[in-house]
Amino acid sequence: AQKVTQAQTEISVVEKEDVTLDCVYETRDTTYYLFWYKQPPSGELVFLIRRNSFDEQNEISGRYSWNFQKSTSSFNFTITASQVVDSAVYFCALSRGSYIPTFGRGTSLIVHP
Amino acid sequence: SQTIHQWPATLVQPVGSPLSLECTVEGTSNPNLYWYRQAAGRGLQLLFYSVGIGQISSEVPQNLSASRPQDRQFILSSKKLLLSDSGFYLCAWSVPVERGELFFGEGSRLTVL
Repeated sequence: AQKVTQAQTEISVVEKEDVTLDCVYETRDTTYYLFWYKQPPSGELVFLIRRNSFDEQNEISGRYSWNFQKSTSSFNFTITASQVVDSAVYFCALSRGSYIPTFGRGTSLIVHP
Repeated sequence: SQTIHQWPATLVQPVGSPLSLECTVEGTSNPNLYWYRQAAGRGLQLLFYSVGIGQISSEVPQNLSASRPQDRQFILSSKKLLLSDSGFYLCAWSVPVERGELFFGEGSRLTVL
């Protein structure tokens, strides 16, 4: 079985603070894929990134960065210099060997001006 | 480019009434299609997925059904709504590979009174 845990239910920060969203996963497979999605208040989930299990290089995209560590089964997401527009629910997901990803329960990020 | 559209965006229905939510994808062929429900608490519950016309897999036994009459059309239905059917329904598509990320529609908010 596979499982994704996002232990942080809600995070509240002030604009310009850095914030890290944690994601811990469980799987017995050696080949798998990890994802992050953003759900702004409008409701539509937006795909942010995909990572495969053989690529542990960290990824940076503007103010967003992702830290994938197989040794700790974690795929954490950091937003640098957060902005009010970053306020959303963020989901981590895991997919292995099927079309059906397993989603975490999400972390609600609130960025105050 | 690929687009996904679902409608209606908002729906208020009495208990016992029928339901039909529609989702269409443009710009791709033979996509995998998904229906998710997001109730209070943010978790994403997979309801149905489809890998081809007429091929529907149900993940959760319930009051709902799904159909895929055309390659890029996915319909969620109910003959008689229950109060517990209230929620935010999301349609999604992915390319037909196991690593494919999901692309979501705008969502349909259903309130059953």
